[in-house]
Amino acid sequence: GENVEQHPSTLSVQEGDSAVIKCTYSDSASNYFPWYKQELGKGPQLIIDIRSNVGEKKDQRIAVTLNKTAKHFSLHITETQPEDSAVYFCAASLSGGTSYGKLTFGQGTILTVHP
Amino acid sequence: GAVVSQHPSRVICKSGTSVKIECRSLDFQATTMFWYRQFPKQSLMLMATSNEGSKATYEQGVEKDKFLINHASLTLSTLTVTSAHPEDSSFYICSARRGSDTQYFGPGTRLTVL
Repeated sequence: GENVEQHPSTLSVQEGDSAVIKCTYSDSASNYFPWYKQELGKGPQLIIDIRSNVGEKKDQRIAVTLNKTAKHFSLHITETQPEDSAVYFCAASLSGGTSYGKLTFGQGTILTVHP
Repeated sequence: GAVVSQHPSRVICKSGTSVKIECRSLDFQATTMFWYRQFPKQSLMLMATSNEGSKATYEQGVEKDKFLINHASLTLSTLTVTSAHPEDSSFYICSARRGSDTQYFGPGTRLTVL
């Protein structure tokens, strides 16, 4: 089955700096890669996703890049703000089919943005 | 759009009782919903996949007779923890799939079994 490794486990940055979180996956058939932000005591919130037919996607301060050959994808947050502090999870799945789009999650990254 | 709700948000029960958790997709229909369990400072663990009108598919190691799942409509799935024990205490989160892959998560239910 799919295995997703996420690094780093914790990341501390100063407000205004950039933050990068990286994930690698094992199943070359995976074709959908979402990123979720989870605040304490809440459910994960989808912040951005990318499919295997594109290499990069951007939404304001957030961007995701995908390298299919190397089987890794990264989340980039620019101009970080204290409200970006949360746990971030990457995930991978194979769209459709009998797997029903099951997500395999990374271990999570605790991001702390210091004012 | 893409709002998923869960009820209740918190529940405390005595050991041996059963607890039902509801998951609703409020603004879209979801043929498939998922149930996860999350322990403190850990990632999400998929428990089962719930498909409308058919039996749920459970992940390896998850007892189907203990965690009963019903997906009676395109907007509602329920998880019942039967004969709950302290070790069942956890954060239970559902998600609803829109389209072929995108999952939107509910706010979670904190279960505490005394």
